[in-house]
Amino acid sequence: GENVEQHPSTLSVQEGDSAVIKCTYSDSASNYFPWYKQELGKRPQLIIDIRSNVGEKKDQRIAVTLNKTAKHFSLHITETQPEDSAVYFCAAPKTSYDKVIFGPGTSLSVIP
Amino acid sequence: DTAVSQTPKYLVTQMGNDKSIKCEQNLGHDTMYWYKQDSKKFLKIMFSYNNKELIINETVPNRFSPKSPDKAHLNLHINSLELGDSAVYFCASSQGGTGGREQFFGPGTRLTVL
Repeated sequence: GENVEQHPSTLSVQEGDSAVIKCTYSDSASNYFPWYKQELGKRPQLIIDIRSNVGEKKDQRIAVTLNKTAKHFSLHITETQPEDSAVYFCAAPKTSYDKVIFGPGTSLSVIP
Repeated sequence: DTAVSQTPKYLVTQMGNDKSIKCEQNLGHDTMYWYKQDSKKFLKIMFSYNNKELIINETVPNRFSPKSPDKAHLNLHINSLELGDSAVYFCASSQGGTGGREQFFGPGTRLTVL
């Protein structure tokens, strides 16, 4: 069945350190892997995504790596800043109907 | 210019009442969604419409009825509200099609059932 897991569920890092959040999925048909950031009281917003024909994608301080064989992908944030504090969701859409299964979320706290 | 808008932003009501939430997107997308986010922050899909046609209907009580008058609008009507319906409801839209697309979320409607 469909299942998307995220680890860890909470993460606390010192400002300037790196943060890594891992997502595993079960549906091998998935080929699009987005990460969304939700600040407190706000809407989720896409921060980076990757497609299955690419192993890694980087955008300034954030990067996503994909291991399709192992069915997991990870979000990497370097040089963390207090404004990175938020809940991060991975997702693994079922492409045939655009149904998006979100992971349970990771609450990241960056301590100044 | 607001891409995906929802009204109302807050909704406080008594158990047993009927209420509606409205959503509009001006992005020209053909797929719209309703999500429920509970107090533990889980984001769960409820419904999806593609060009006014229902394509995803998760295991949601039939007290919840979505309606899409056109592809820019997706409303959610809830009958006989229960305490467990308290949550934040997000509308979203995407340009559908295979391969997956970014979802654009509305600001959310915080529903509190007393």
